[in-house]
Amino acid sequence: EVQLLESGGGLVQPGGSLRLSCAASGFTFTNFAMTWVRQATGKGLEWVSGIDANGFSTYYADSVKGRFTIYRDNSKNTLHLQMNSLRAEDTAVYYCAKNDDHMIVLSLIDHWGQGTLVTVSS
Amino acid sequence: EIVMTQSPATLSVSPGERATLSCRASQSVRSNLAWYQQKPGQAPRLLVYHASTRATGVPTRFSGSGSGTEFILTISSLQSEDFAFYYCQQYDNWPPYTFGQGTKLEIK
Repeated sequence: EVQLLESGGGLVQPGGSLRLSCAASGFTFTNFAMTWVRQATGKGLEWVSGIDANGFSTYYADSVKGRFTIYRDNSKNTLHLQMNSLRAEDTAVYYCAKNDDHMIVLSLIDHWGQGTLVTVSS
Repeated sequence: EIVMTQSPATLSVSPGERATLSCRASQSVRSNLAWYQQKPGQAPRLLVYHASTRATGVPTRFSGSGSGTEFILTISSLQSEDFAFYYCQQYDNWPPYTFGQGTKLEIK
């Protein structure tokens, strides 16, 4: 059974940093691209960032480009999202998600974690 | 960036009736379209991919159709557990793989 367990969320001040992690199990992590999606309270889903299985290709939404960095540790089956220069509008539940192929391009999300809440406020 | 537009924003349907949800893309996404269901306090769940293929374990009352820019998710006979939010997402054009704003399916 695919399991994705996010951690690292919490309260941070504007301009601060936070690193999210996602521990993956139940599938061969090194074979699949991974994605972060976020959802502000009462709002819809927003695609944030994706990374290919080998970690060499990464993709970002314009809203986070230059501030967020996605990376993965395939030796530990873990996905990360380093978030810097955080803003109030980054406040959301952040979901870790598994793609159905080794590349982000033309692959879809087939499994989701339960999410971790990030609150950016002074 | 491709804009995905879902309609209606809220759909009120009685249990046992049919529900039809729409999703429109601002440009063609071919058949690279997925539907997700999300219940309050839960993560989304994949229902349909490639516009019309049901994901593993999804009941047959859920069906997807369409290609290009117009897509439909049909729930043939609504069960109580089907009342939720539904999102479409395109995964055709280069990231970001945009989502629609969602349709809330509520009990009439």
